[in-house]
Amino acid sequence: ETGVTQSPTHLIKTRGQQVTLRCSSQSGHNTVSWYQQALGQGPQFIFQYYREEENGRGNFPPRFSGLQFPNYSSELNVNALELDDSALYLCASSLDGTAYNEQFFGPGTRLTVL
Amino acid sequence: AQSVTQPDIHITVSEGASLELRCNYSYGATPYLFWYVQSPGQGLQLLLKYFSGDTLVQGIKGFEAEFKRSQSSFNLRKPSVHWSDAAEYFCAVGGGPGGGNKLTFGTGTQLKVEL
Repeated sequence: ETGVTQSPTHLIKTRGQQVTLRCSSQSGHNTVSWYQQALGQGPQFIFQYYREEENGRGNFPPRFSGLQFPNYSSELNVNALELDDSALYLCASSLDGTAYNEQFFGPGTRLTVL
Repeated sequence: AQSVTQPDIHITVSEGASLELRCNYSYGATPYLFWYVQSPGQGLQLLLKYFSGDTLVQGIKGFEAEFKRSQSSFNLRKPSVHWSDAAEYFCAVGGGPGGGNKLTFGTGTQLKVEL
């Protein structure tokens, strides 16, 4: 069974650019959540996708957007990058979006904005 | 809004000593509570979770946690720490507005183990 994978591992962008991060969910999982983890902080919920539809969003501006594909893999897009967007971006998949289903996390993508 | 507080940013213990990591939560209903561990360069691994029932829950790697509703706490314990337990530990509360199994994390506790 393949776990959650994310690409790329590391990324360096400049302020104002756009970035796309990718996540492949664990086999059999139809729900993907994205989290932002700034240095020295706990992960913060960005949004969740369930069967290709957004199923909840945290306190992030609209320039953070996402997609989920029919195979349940997902993308996180960030437009107009700001310095404060530098963080580890974590993707997690689960069987579905109900509260008692464990989320399985990928290793993350480290984004640096210069 | 739900929130999680981990009062200890750093903790250092000797190998073989007991460990307790503190976690306090704020949540309007019966919470779903989790402890995760994060090693450098790794994603988050679930140690244990509490949904209902027995307030003392057992997890992986010899960890346990006790849910105390009266204190709004969910402290993580281990009787004897191993050097490989050095990592960052996050307490989280699940559910709530904004997403079915959205997690709200604390700021984490960095555990150092002295040999």
